[in-house]
Amino acid sequence: SSELTQDPAVSVALGQTVRITCQGDSLRSYYASWYQQKPRQAPVLVFYGENNRPSGIPDRFSGSSSGDTASLTITGAQAEDEADYYCHSRDNSGYHYVFGTGTKVTVL
Amino acid sequence: QVQLQESGPGLVKPSETLSLTCTVSGGSISPYYWSWIRQPAGKGLEWIGRIYLSGSTDYNPSFKSRVTMSLDTSKNQFSLKMTSVTAADTAVYYCAREEVTYYGSGFDHWGQGTLVTVSS
Repeated sequence: SSELTQDPAVSVALGQTVRITCQGDSLRSYYASWYQQKPRQAPVLVFYGENNRPSGIPDRFSGSSSGDTASLTITGAQAEDEADYYCHSRDNSGYHYVFGTGTKVTVL
Repeated sequence: QVQLQESGPGLVKPSETLSLTCTVSGGSISPYYWSWIRQPAGKGLEWIGRIYLSGSTDYNPSFKSRVTMSLDTSKNQFSLKMTSVTAADTAVYYCAREEVTYYGSGFDHWGQGTLVTVSS
């Protein structure tokens, strides 16, 4: 089982704000990165590190971290943001990587 | 524009070895880390391991005894070998580039993924 835990599913009304969380002990020491995956497509990096958004990613995606929890916030969710979202970071040993369990975001 | 492309057999028999290659175009192998990640149908992502330009590797402990990664800089390729496969290894396999910065890291480029089915 993953050492990074995410809520299985969240929903958000069009134009509203949603926060996706990722919990794990390793997050007290290491940054998370976040990936968006739409059906039958490869994941896309949407946020990583302390405050890094890859070029081409809308600024409605932002990340934060506190204690053992990392968060990805979508401010003003759009229909195209409906997807699965995965966090990624180090495992509890700090030596290896692990993905979160994934969160399905539905835009209503 | 950096592109990654996985290649290899789509069908592997149980107990045999799965072999995949990722070809990197539009950019150099250095100075990045290169990972393999897989995803069984309907399930989440699973990191398999990574390799650096120097040849140093880091494997998921869940696979460590079965997985070997290698790099061919002359061909801008890196490879995955997984031995003794079972049906549980059936998944879409992705290769990905990891950009590492002082402020964090992320898999910024991915291949399209290749489905590997383990079946007799």
